[in-house]
Amino acid sequence: DQQVKQNSPSLSVQEGRISILNCDYTNSMFDYFLWYKKYPAEGPTFLISISSIKDKNEDGRFTVFLNKSAKHLSLHIVPSQPGDSAVYFCAAYSGTYKYIFGTGTRLKVLA
Amino acid sequence: DGGITQSPKYLFRKEGQNVTLSCEQNLNHDAMYWYRQDPGQGLRLIYYSQIVNDFQKGDIAEGYSVSREKKESFPLTVTSAQKNPTAFYLCASRQGVTDTQYFGPGTRLTVL
Repeated sequence: DQQVKQNSPSLSVQEGRISILNCDYTNSMFDYFLWYKKYPAEGPTFLISISSIKDKNEDGRFTVFLNKSAKHLSLHIVPSQPGDSAVYFCAAYSGTYKYIFGTGTRLKVLA
Repeated sequence: DGGITQSPKYLFRKEGQNVTLSCEQNLNHDAMYWYRQDPGQGLRLIYYSQIVNDFQKGDIAEGYSVSREKKESFPLTVTSAQKNPTAFYLCASRQGVTDTQYFGPGTRLTVL
């Protein structure tokens, strides 16, 4: 039973446009969500997070939106740059020391 | 520089041999984790430790063992009982205040 789902395995976006990566979850006990960026053969790099008491968090070009009623979160990257090309993972945390990860979305930003 | 180090980056072993992967952190984080990533899949939790001398099995602990004798160190042993050990192994630690988890650079283990 996959509690965190990233239904789009890949996404291609033109440089300068917006990239929107989506993530759905099933467990309403999750109260903290994170996005990571990962290059091949490297560890994931933390990008941005959001607590369940908020519906939006911004950090530079990255914004995460949380819709608790729909159990859905999204990561917006504006403007997209070629260096953003990577695999993006969303993760959920319920305060029990365990994180649940999605299967990732591969973003390709076209120059 | 604070961070998480994993060594070695690439590791080759013969089938049937045990191998230990190193993970060290100087972030003063209490909790540490081991994950495995296979091609096209997400991160699967092997073991985690909340404090020194304590650890719990994750979702795929069979064939693996860990120890947590020091706060800074959380080595993972891949035993010969692990049926498919070739994978990319990631160590992480958790910052308690923000609940954010940070990762090391990973170790690629290949069993020949």
